[in-house]
Amino acid sequence: DGGITQSPKYLFRKEGQNVTLSCEQNLNHDAMYWYRQDPGQGLRLIYYSQIVNDFQKGDIAEGYSVSREKKESFPLTVTSAQKNPTAFYLCASSMGRDRPNYGYTFGSGTRLTVV
Amino acid sequence: AQSVTQLGSHVSVSEGALVLLRCNYSSSVPPYLFWYVQYPNQGLQLLLKYTSAATLVKGINGFEAEFKKSETSFHLTKPSAHMSDAAEYFCAVSSSSNDYKLSFGAGTTVTVRA
Repeated sequence: DGGITQSPKYLFRKEGQNVTLSCEQNLNHDAMYWYRQDPGQGLRLIYYSQIVNDFQKGDIAEGYSVSREKKESFPLTVTSAQKNPTAFYLCASSMGRDRPNYGYTFGSGTRLTVV
Repeated sequence: AQSVTQLGSHVSVSEGALVLLRCNYSSSVPPYLFWYVQYPNQGLQLLLKYTSAATLVKGINGFEAEFKKSETSFHLTKPSAHMSDAAEYFCAVSSSSNDYKLSFGAGTTVTVRA
């Protein structure tokens, strides 16, 4: 079955550490996205990528970094510069600008907690 | 520019009663509109979408929504609530003005009373 796999499901980070969240899709989608979810704030866009080897900042990119070396993979690194990283992180993919009516497919999320 | 406003962060309904979740959007160009559902500690699942065809859209699990351009609304309804409808619901909009990226509302949490 096609879908998006996020790992790990739960992640604990110590202060000052960088951590990387994995996102892999086998839907052959061109575009991929990272969102952060906090209670009562909906989903906020961190980074997105419309094609391989290209990505753009979203609304809250500070303290995060990404790469898109393969079409299937879009890992997110939460750096020590992110002051409040505890949140639920969601990865999504879509067919991109050419098929905007299809919407997004989401992974099951990674819950990051700073300890 | 585009944005979404969901009226009411929490809605409580009795089992068997009507579920009505309100969503208003703002878009300078024709929008695509979506409703997603999220169960605890899970990702978002597409319920239904408006893509400029029929204004009354039917989705999964008995939900439907009506696109009203004059009111810039896309309210979600279900005639009879079931316990399994307890979840968080998100309205989202995309358009050419934002490179077809989805913008989400803040979400509405639905509680179903037995």
